[in-house]
Amino acid sequence: DAKTTQPTSMDCAEGRAANLPCNHSTISGNEYVYWYRQIHSQGPQYIIHGLKNNETNEMASLIITEDRKSSTLILPHATLRDTAVYYCIVVGEKLTFGTGTRLTIIP
Amino acid sequence: DTGVSQNPRHKITKRGQNVTFRCDPISEHNRLYWYRQTLGQGPEFLTYFQNEAQLEKSRLLSDRFSAERPKGSFSTLEIQRTEQGDSAMYLCASSLAGTGGSFTDTQYFGPGTRLTVL
Repeated sequence: DAKTTQPTSMDCAEGRAANLPCNHSTISGNEYVYWYRQIHSQGPQYIIHGLKNNETNEMASLIITEDRKSSTLILPHATLRDTAVYYCIVVGEKLTFGTGTRLTIIP
Repeated sequence: DTGVSQNPRHKITKRGQNVTFRCDPISEHNRLYWYRQTLGQGPEFLTYFQNEAQLEKSRLLSDRFSAERPKGSFSTLEIQRTEQGDSAMYLCASSLAGTGGSFTDTQYFGPGTRLTVL
């Protein structure tokens, strides 16, 4: 599976859009980009996934570059409850988690 | 609630004891996965089932670990002769896989069982 690179941590002001980047330069054509988040002491929560096209659901938007080597998860109006570790995962054969980005929403 | 459930949520045991965890997946899901997560790390894949068949096991799953899914519904994960290094969060996830599906099927996680081995 392709490896991903994410910033270790990020801060975002409450009410602003949180933009979480992810690099996956070795992604293959049939590998999806998945995003999960994990709030402290809970199981990972599925957020969104995509292959080539940008995707949007009630939680977030996923922007994938045309060459598919990177993507950005956008939380449009961050709240304190969005404070969590966010994992970007490229899924071909396995769901392989890295260490993610610790996002802290600042009041 | 129709999500993935896990029991117990917390387990404290002494080194050398056996422990068993249970996972109840989302009812129509045919795939069930087990992961282990240690402090500061992301979850690590242990094994998965499609219906009652165990299709893959990670090398992390030593011979002290055994998982079953006898009727293709709930699953159990047993650890024999626990060691302090087994202390971790054990996570279960389930998905609905198509006939040609791989791990791309969206997995939904339970709350986990936190094991502490003294």
